[in-house]
Amino acid sequence: QVQLQESGPGLVKPSETLSLTCTVSGGSISSYYWSWIRQPPGKGLEWIGYIYYSGSTNYNPSLKSRVTISVDTSKNQFSLKLSSVTAADTAVYYCARAKRVGIVEDWGQGTLVTVSS
Amino acid sequence: AIRMTQSPSSFSASTGDRVTITCRASQGISSYLAWYQQKPGKAPKLLIYAASTLQSGVPSRFSGSGSGTDFTLTISCLQSEDFATYYCQQYYSYPSFGGGTKVEIK
Repeated sequence: QVQLQESGPGLVKPSETLSLTCTVSGGSISSYYWSWIRQPPGKGLEWIGYIYYSGSTNYNPSLKSRVTISVDTSKNQFSLKLSSVTAADTAVYYCARAKRVGIVEDWGQGTLVTVSS
Repeated sequence: AIRMTQSPSSFSASTGDRVTITCRASQGISSYLAWYQQKPGKAPKLLIYAASTLQSGVPSRFSGSGSGTDFTLTISCLQSEDFATYYCQQYYSYPSFGGGTKVEIK
């Protein structure tokens, strides 16, 4: 049973870069699509982007200019960087695994990131 | 971007009820639709994909139907553990979610 665990700072200052890592255990990061999805407090879900294990990426057009997702197969990890954050980026950030794009079968527990000075 | 609209946004129901949630896409998405269940403080859980294919381990009281722009999620006999928020999500193009439907206890 694959497990995903997000890690990173819970507080980021406005205009800075949010950085999160997802560690995958119980399975290989090879194959599958690895995604970041977020949920502002009390609101709905928003797909941030995904990366295939080979390194190809696809980002939400509304966030594309600020997002970078990368994968480190040697560490079984993938990462998210979101630049120039504002309070609107405050959310629970989930890392997730999909066998096919858009069909997310496995999720991390989520980590709350607050943007505040 | 494809916009997904769910209705209703919330409603109350009783254990044993048959409930239906609808989801409409702003353009045709064939059957590239998934449904997720989310409970407070937890990550979403995949229920259905390809509009009507039940994910392994999901109870058969859950079913999905539709294609093109109009879709439904049906719970045939609501159980206590089904009170949650449900999201539809298209993956015909860049993935996007509906706004969610909260099912509350009457």
